[in-house]
Amino acid sequence: AQKVTQAQTEISVVEKEDVTLDCVYETRDTTYYLFWYKQPPSGELVFLIRRNSFDEQNEISGRYSWNFQKSTSSFNFTITASQVVDSAVYFCALSERGAETSGSRLTFGEGTQLTVNP
Amino acid sequence: DAGVIQSPRHEVTEMGQEVTLRCKPISGHDYLFWYRQTMMRGLELLIYFNNNVPIDDSGMPEDRFSAKMPNASFSTLKIQPSEPRDSAVYFCASSFQELYGYTFGSGTRLTVV
Repeated sequence: AQKVTQAQTEISVVEKEDVTLDCVYETRDTTYYLFWYKQPPSGELVFLIRRNSFDEQNEISGRYSWNFQKSTSSFNFTITASQVVDSAVYFCALSERGAETSGSRLTFGEGTQLTVNP
Repeated sequence: DAGVIQSPRHEVTEMGQEVTLRCKPISGHDYLFWYRQTMMRGLELLIYFNNNVPIDDSGMPEDRFSAKMPNASFSTLKIQPSEPRDSAVYFCASSFQELYGYTFGSGTRLTVV
């Protein structure tokens, strides 16, 4: 069974600090995808990134960067020079190919509430 | 592209009433998912469809919940009869291919009193 763990329930930082959100996953599949979503106070779920299990290259997008390490089953997310607008709940998620079906489900972690204070 | 469209945004109903949530996926997406978000259980998958066919409904809480997808551009999630414990935010999402990034709708906040 697949599982995603986000051990940090809440993180509070001051604007311009760097912050890393941890994500550890469990899966028995060799083909899977990892995701990060942002849920701002308005409630919608905003897709940030998708990474497949065969691509361990780190990715950078502006102030966001992601570190994928299969050896530790982790997919951590770093925000550099955080801003107040980054305040949100961030979810890590895992999708693996189902053994019985051709489709797949997305399993979410419990989320990390990030608060960036001015 | 208008994205995934859900209606209504908010629904308040009395216990025992029937509730119908609606979703229009992104055109061309062949996967549709219904998720529920609560404080206690987080985000959990209820059911998903591929090409309008239900693939996995193991997350549907009980027989009071039913979902349909009569065509590629419309899906409904129905709760009959509703109970206070069904209060949650219900998200619909669609995806172009399996394992691709999912696009979520804005959600329907359901309150059952």
